[in-house]
Amino acid sequence: DTAVSQTPKYLVTQMGNDKSIKCEQNLGHDTMYWYKQDSKKFLKIMFSYNNKELIINETVPNRFSPKSPDKAHLNLHINSLELGDSAVYFCASSRSGTGGNEQFFGPGTRLTVL
Amino acid sequence: GNSVTQMEGPVTLSEEAFLTINCTYTATGYPSLFWYVQYPGEGLQLLLKATKADDKGSNKGFEATYRKETTSFHLEKGSVQVSDSAVYFCALFERADKLIFGTGTRLQVFP
Repeated sequence: DTAVSQTPKYLVTQMGNDKSIKCEQNLGHDTMYWYKQDSKKFLKIMFSYNNKELIINETVPNRFSPKSPDKAHLNLHINSLELGDSAVYFCASSRSGTGGNEQFFGPGTRLTVL
Repeated sequence: GNSVTQMEGPVTLSEEAFLTINCTYTATGYPSLFWYVQYPGEGLQLLLKATKADDKGSNKGFEATYRKETTSFHLEKGSVQVSDSAVYFCALFERADKLIFGTGTRLQVFP
């Protein structure tokens, strides 16, 4: 059973389009995240949600809008896609805690904007 | 703000060589520290962690010791294998379940 799953695995689209990436976790965690990994492997957090509430929003353009319908899902919608949005997007989840609990990552979605 | 600095890669080694990947951090207080590993085409996985000064995290033959005097958390392994080829990320825990990652270090191990 996959712990953190993302769909699609690959996404190729034209500039200006709107697209969504879905994420689901079956670990019973209460916190979920979206990360962006660029071509140099640099990994940066974009958003985190705890119990469906937005906790972290790291200077991400308004074109990116996360949506958490329930604790097990955190989807990422991107409007008006730009070339610079091309990257691998990772979803992750964890139990919340003060000391830093392990984050479990999905396999990633490679987004290519043409 | 808090930050993590890792040595630039790639690190290229022969099988059974000794591995060190340097990681230093800047932080207020003593945050928990982590090493994550990313195998080709996959997401990150936790390799090991340490939650306080002088703690040693270990897993799969890898070790790292939390050293507050030098603000370091270097990753070591005595004898690497081809299967250890991956990208390794050092990270520190900030507030609200936020991880700050280093830039990653690619390790390539040849037979």
